[in-house]
Amino acid sequence: AQTVTQSQPEMSVQEAETVTLSCTYDTSESNYYLFWYKQPPSRQMILVIRQEAYKQQNATENRFSVNFQKAAKSFSLKISDSQLGDTAMYFCAFSYNNNDMRFGAGTRLTVKP
Amino acid sequence: DGGITQSPKYLFRKEGQNVTLSCEQNLNHDAMYWYRQDPGQGLRLIYYSQIVNDFQKGDIAEGYSVSREKKESFPLTVTSAQKNPTAFYLCASSILGQGSYEQYFGPGTRLTVT
Repeated sequence: AQTVTQSQPEMSVQEAETVTLSCTYDTSESNYYLFWYKQPPSRQMILVIRQEAYKQQNATENRFSVNFQKAAKSFSLKISDSQLGDTAMYFCAFSYNNNDMRFGAGTRLTVKP
Repeated sequence: DGGITQSPKYLFRKEGQNVTLSCEQNLNHDAMYWYRQDPGQGLRLIYYSQIVNDFQKGDIAEGYSVSREKKESFPLTVTSAQKNPTAFYLCASSILGQGSYEQYFGPGTRLTVT
């Protein structure tokens, strides 16, 4: 069974600083996708970034980047130049097919002015 | 604009009543999903459907039912058999066959049962 663990229930960061959210997962699959979703106070789930397991290069999307360590089954999200609008719940997710996306419990990030 | 709509945003029901949550998408996606979100937990899969008139149980299907009569619509019924129905419910959809498995989410429905 696939499991996703986010060990940081809450984090905070000062505006303009950098923060890293941790995620580990467990799977026996060799090819899969990993995702970070953001859920702001509106509760709309928004895709932040995705990583294909067979790609060694870490994905980046503007201020968001990941550190994907396949052997360690680790998938952390780095947010640079944090903005007040980054305040949200962040969910790490794993999927190897269209039937089964597994989510972590989430990390609540607060960006302080 | 393409997207997923869920209605209503807030729903209140008395215990013992069945209630149906609406989910519609105009993205032409094949697959649709229902998740339940509780405080301190991630999303848990209730049901999913990859094709019209077919659907499969997820991890927590007990007390729920769905239908998929049209590609665009995937309503969820919370029955009186669901022991703890108060939760936030999210509908999602995805494209089949393109390999990324990304799911697109609706805005959610907050159900409160008293």
